[in-house]
Amino acid sequence: NFMLTQPHSLSESPGKTVTISCTRSSGSIAGSYVQWYQQRPGSSPTTVIYETNQRPSGVPDRFSGSIDSSSNSASLTISGLQTEDEADYYCQSYDTRTVIFGGGTKLTVL
Amino acid sequence: EVQLLESGGGLVQPGGSLRLSCLASGFTFNTYALAWVRQAPGKGLEWVSGITGSGDNTYYVDSVRGRFTISRDNSKNTLDLQMNSLRADDSALYYCAKSSSWDWTDALNLWGQGTMVTVS
Repeated sequence: NFMLTQPHSLSESPGKTVTISCTRSSGSIAGSYVQWYQQRPGSSPTTVIYETNQRPSGVPDRFSGSIDSSSNSASLTISGLQTEDEADYYCQSYDTRTVIFGGGTKLTVL
Repeated sequence: EVQLLESGGGLVQPGGSLRLSCLASGFTFNTYALAWVRQAPGKGLEWVSGITGSGDNTYYVDSVRGRFTISRDNSKNTLDLQMNSLRADDSALYYCAKSSSWDWTDALNLWGQGTMVTVS
């Protein structure tokens, strides 16, 4: 199985843009869709990006997803940061029948 | 209301068993794959097991294969996880989650509130 590696933590100021990376250890990042989940403290995860770059209804267009095949990574970019974006973010992908989550990134907005 | 409601968690001794249940409402239950995802205190998410809408196909993470069994009853809109030979490292909050399609590898677009399992 492969691993998905995320930065442990990031911090940025309100109004700025932040990018969270998710690097796949083996196999092509483009070979399987990537999902991104947001988990606020004390709450269950919710989807902010699915199928690599699609936004569920209700998720602001400040959230966007992409991949970079050269670095075998996926990215979640949040622009116009708001204090409510402070949360843990997890990428997720799959291989054959196995679903893999990244270790999560704690985003602090201060 | 579209929701998933887990139950069955608790404190169990190492080597013991526990059965988790998840009651679904508000959507066509047998159309979607379901999964169990766990989160140890202060840790990240770990996918545990998945099952297709029909219940014909299941899959497990290596660490639980042979000890855990996922099943569903489409007549009752319930998902279960039978957990045997429990170990301390199985201690976690267990979430029931609904896939966006018939395949558990697709996005999990509905999550329950979780049920806590403590093995000690």
